[in-house]
Amino acid sequence: DVKVTQSSRYLVKRTGEKVFLECVQDMDHENMFWYRQDPGLGLRLIYFSYDVKMKEKGDIPEGYSVSREKKERFSLILESASTNQTSMYLCASNTVAGTLKNRNQPQHFGDGTRLSIL
Amino acid sequence: RKEVEQDPGPFNVPEGATVAFNCTYSNSASQSFFWYRQDCRKEPKLLMSVYSSGNEDGRFTAQLNRASQYISLLIRDSKLSDSATYLCVVLLGNTPLVFGKGTRLSVIA
Repeated sequence: DVKVTQSSRYLVKRTGEKVFLECVQDMDHENMFWYRQDPGLGLRLIYFSYDVKMKEKGDIPEGYSVSREKKERFSLILESASTNQTSMYLCASNTVAGTLKNRNQPQHFGDGTRLSIL
Repeated sequence: RKEVEQDPGPFNVPEGATVAFNCTYSNSASQSFFWYRQDCRKEPKLLMSVYSSGNEDGRFTAQLNRASQYISLLIRDSKLSDSATYLCVVLLGNTPLVFGKGTRLSVIA
């Protein structure tokens, strides 16, 4: 079974702090993703990565950065946390398949991190 | 990002009922389709893929209509444990999955 592990289930930080959310997957997946989920807004993609040291902006990258130094680890960084970044953060990973490696497979999610910024 | 639209619900149905959700997508080139289930305060989990010919998994049936660009999920003989939010998901090639906002189902005893 695919295992995606997020470092914290619950986290409380203060405005202006630099916050690190860690995600590790154990299936050698190429792709990793960070989402946030808020009531009424669904899942929104923050950043994703198709390979080590590669990153792509999602729909709402402002106020965030990411790091992928190793294939199994994808970190989300809140450079200077603000109260509007209070949310549920979900990490996901998947692999690609198909003859041309052009087809993503379903994503597997971590348990999520409930982050509160005070 | 291409849009995926779902009725947010909630759908409140009695145990044993049959319930169906639809989801429409805007990009006709979309290649793969999935239904995810998300329980309250939990992460989304893959429920089933949706194949062109339609597919069934126990009490769950998924259908794809490419001409009208919608997918559906049918749940027969609803159980209390089916109460959750069901997310419609669409994929175009090697791009991130596009998630609908979900349809909430409550099965009532």
